[in-house]
Amino acid sequence: DGGITQSPKYLFRKEGQNVTLSCEQNLNHDAMYWYRQDPGQGLRLIYYSQIVNDFQKGDIAEGYSVSREKKESFPLTVTSAQKNPTAFYLCASSAAGGWETQYFGPGTRLLVL
Amino acid sequence: KQEVTQIPAALSVPEGENLVLNCSFTDSAIYNLQWFRQDPGKGLTSLLLIQSSQREQTSGRLNASLDKSSGRSTLYIAASQPGDSATYLCAVISYNTDKLIFGTGTRLQVFP
Repeated sequence: DGGITQSPKYLFRKEGQNVTLSCEQNLNHDAMYWYRQDPGQGLRLIYYSQIVNDFQKGDIAEGYSVSREKKESFPLTVTSAQKNPTAFYLCASSAAGGWETQYFGPGTRLLVL
Repeated sequence: KQEVTQIPAALSVPEGENLVLNCSFTDSAIYNLQWFRQDPGKGLTSLLLIQSSQREQTSGRLNASLDKSSGRSTLYIAASQPGDSATYLCAVISYNTDKLIFGTGTRLQVFP
């Protein structure tokens, strides 16, 4: 059953804490993406990776970090430097670059305690 | 800088109506345009992708058109059903970037 999985579905962060959101895909896609969605603002790109061991900053990378050690995995860490992390986080993948159809995971909702 | 706008922000229609959702973009030098559907609290589902050289794409009751020169796309939904209720997002990729730029979406409600 091919697709993109994200975990956890809900995540709570305490002040000063780093948290990591998981994203896994078994579609054999080269490119993977992380987006943040806030009410009324649409999706904004945080980081993207077009190939293993390489990634680029998106429009709102400050306070976030990623790694791409395996083709199927692209975890996102929300660091304590991100002062307003409450949002819905979406991971996506595509066969090649962004010009291919992007397939999205179910999302992780991050809340601050 | 590419900007994508969707009008209306929300739409409520009775079941069976044909309806049109609008998307406009400021930079016509796009590689493609995509329409997505998002159910509350869920991820996005790709509906249609139109390459810059194409004028329209169809999938079942959905038809998307693209007028690159005027910076507009429409998503036509025929014979709407309550199951079509969701937020519809359009997104474009410009030639000078490989990133999707999203609109803020149209929230559609189809009532029985």
